[in-house]
Amino acid sequence: EVQLVESGGGLVQPGRSLRLSCAASGFTFDDYAMHWVRQAPGKGLEWVSGISWNSGSIGYADSVKGRFTISRDNAKNSLYLQMNSLRAEDTALYYCAKALEAVAGTLDYWGQGTLVTVSS
Amino acid sequence: DIQMTQSPSSVSASVGDRVTITCRASQGISSWLAWYQQKPGKAPKLLIYAASSLQSGVPSRFSGSGSGTDFTLTISSLQPEDFATYYCQQANSFPPSLTFGGGTKVEIK
Repeated sequence: EVQLVESGGGLVQPGRSLRLSCAASGFTFDDYAMHWVRQAPGKGLEWVSGISWNSGSIGYADSVKGRFTISRDNAKNSLYLQMNSLRAEDTALYYCAKALEAVAGTLDYWGQGTLVTVSS
Repeated sequence: DIQMTQSPSSVSASVGDRVTITCRASQGISSWLAWYQQKPGKAPKLLIYAASSLQSGVPSRFSGSGSGTDFTLTISSLQPEDFATYYCQQANSFPPSLTFGGGTKVEIK
């Protein structure tokens, strides 16, 4: 059974940093691209960042480019999102999601999310 | 960046109704289009990928069609468990990016 478990969320002041983690199990992690998607309270889904199976292809939404860094450790079956210079508008539930393929953006499994609140 | 426009933003329907949701891409994306269902407090669930392929375990009352810039999700006979918000998503341009539509809330009439 595919499982994605996010952690690392919490309350953080504007301008500070936070690192999210996603622990994956139930599939061959290094065969698939992985993504982060967020959802602000009461709002729609917003893609944040994605990374291919071998970290050779990486992308970011314009809203986080230059502030967030995605990475993965295939030996640890883990995905990460380093978030720097956080802003109030980054407040959201952050989902980790598995792609259908090695370099792709159709998301077939999602975690339950970790909540990030940016506030002073 | 590719923009995705969904319509309507909300729809009121009754059990047994046929419901159609449309999604338009700002440029051609071939068949790189997915549909997701999200219920309150839950993670999104993949329904349709590659515009018309039904994800495993998804009821056959859900169907998708379209290619290029115009796409449709159809629920042939709405069931009580189908009341939720639906999102389209283009998967054509990763890398470097993906885009979701704004969502369509299907409500009980």
